[in-house]
Amino acid sequence: EVQLVESGGLVVQPGGSLRLSCAASGFTFDDYTMHWVRQAPGKGLERVSLITSDGGSTFYADSVKGRFTISRDNSRNSLYLQMNSLRTEDTALYYCAKEREQLIHFDSRGQGTLVTVSS
Amino acid sequence: EIVMTQSPATLSVSPGERATLSCRASQSVTNKLAWYQQKPGQAPRLLIYGASTRATGIPARFSGRGSGTEFTLTIGSLQSEDFAVYSCQQYNDWPSYTFGQGTKLEIK
Repeated sequence: EVQLVESGGLVVQPGGSLRLSCAASGFTFDDYTMHWVRQAPGKGLERVSLITSDGGSTFYADSVKGRFTISRDNSRNSLYLQMNSLRTEDTALYYCAKEREQLIHFDSRGQGTLVTVSS
Repeated sequence: EIVMTQSPATLSVSPGERATLSCRASQSVTNKLAWYQQKPGQAPRLLIYGASTRATGIPARFSGRGSGTEFTLTIGSLQSEDFAVYSCQQYNDWPSYTFGQGTKLEIK
């Protein structure tokens, strides 16, 4: 059964850095493009970044471009999001998700990881 | 970037009644439109893809329609477990996927 477990969320000051991780299991991780999607309090979903199955291509939303870096370690079935120069507007619950046939699939039991940027 | 606009922001409906939610794209997304359901403390769940195809395990009371820029999600005979936030998402413009801001379906 597909499982995606996010971790690494913390309270951090503006300008700080954080690294999120996502541990994947239950599927062949290196076959899939992976995404980070976030949800700010009271707001809609925002797809932050994606990385293709081999890590060869990445994409970032304009809101995080130049500050966030997505990466993956297929040998560890893990996805990462390095977040630098954090802003208060980055405060959100961050989910990892896999893409299959152009569709984003979340782990139904996923809790996400909460990032709070506050002084 | 394709902007997805959902209406209304909040919809109050009684159990057993029908609910219709709308989603509009700022430019055509053909039929590459998905709907997600999200309950408090849970990750989003895929309901509909291809504008009208139900995902695996989704009850028949959920139906989607539309193409181009106008889409609707209809939930017939609302059950207690259907009260949640519903979001539309276009996947026509890869990799620039975008979501709507969500419609909260609440009990009247």
